[in-house]
Amino acid sequence: KAGVTQTPRYLIKTRGQQVTLSCSPISGHRSVSWYQQTPGQGLQFLFEYFSETQRNKGNFPGRFSGRQFSNSRSEMNVSTLELGDSALYLCATQQVAGAETQYFGPGTRLLVL
Amino acid sequence: GESVGLHLPTLSVQEGDNSIINCAYSNSASDYFIWYKQESGKGPQFIIDIRSNMDKRQGQRVTVLLNKTVKHLSLQIAATQPGDSAVYFCAENRGYNQGGKLIFGQGTELSVKP
Repeated sequence: KAGVTQTPRYLIKTRGQQVTLSCSPISGHRSVSWYQQTPGQGLQFLFEYFSETQRNKGNFPGRFSGRQFSNSRSEMNVSTLELGDSALYLCATQQVAGAETQYFGPGTRLLVL
Repeated sequence: GESVGLHLPTLSVQEGDNSIINCAYSNSASDYFIWYKQESGKGPQFIIDIRSNMDKRQGQRVTVLLNKTVKHLSLQIAATQPGDSAVYFCAENRGYNQGGKLIFGQGTELSVKP
């Protein structure tokens, strides 16, 4: 079974731009969660999507948004990029939403200049 | 605020020794815990999990212990190998109404000396 895939793997943007990241879950997984990882803040939960609905949201500004498609693939968007948005963005998927194992993708490394 | 903390940010062990990585969690309502291993340039890799109705679970060379009384979690790695060198994170899930949201600890860097 293929693992979680994320595209692109690396991205360089400038302040003020917007970016869209993509996550394809493991086959059969319907829940996709997004996390931001930085050296200073560690791994922080952004939001979770299940059956095309946002089920949970972390403490991030509205510039961070996401969506999920009917095939469970998910995208996250960051608008009006700031230098502090430079981070590794990880998605994790699981079969259903709830307390069960989440499997992570390799992440998208975003650098904002 | 929400937190799952780690007692030791770095741990250095000799190859072949046993490693113990500790984690304190803050929410007594948490009912599911996971340990992840993250190597440089990669996403976190699932190691082992445990539910709150258990106090011990064993995998291949790894054991997780859960002490709900003191809200403490530990990961034991037997016969540590150089390939175990990585950052280890504990994470907690705070119940079904939190969906798949995981709260992560800061991480402990494990360094294995050959």
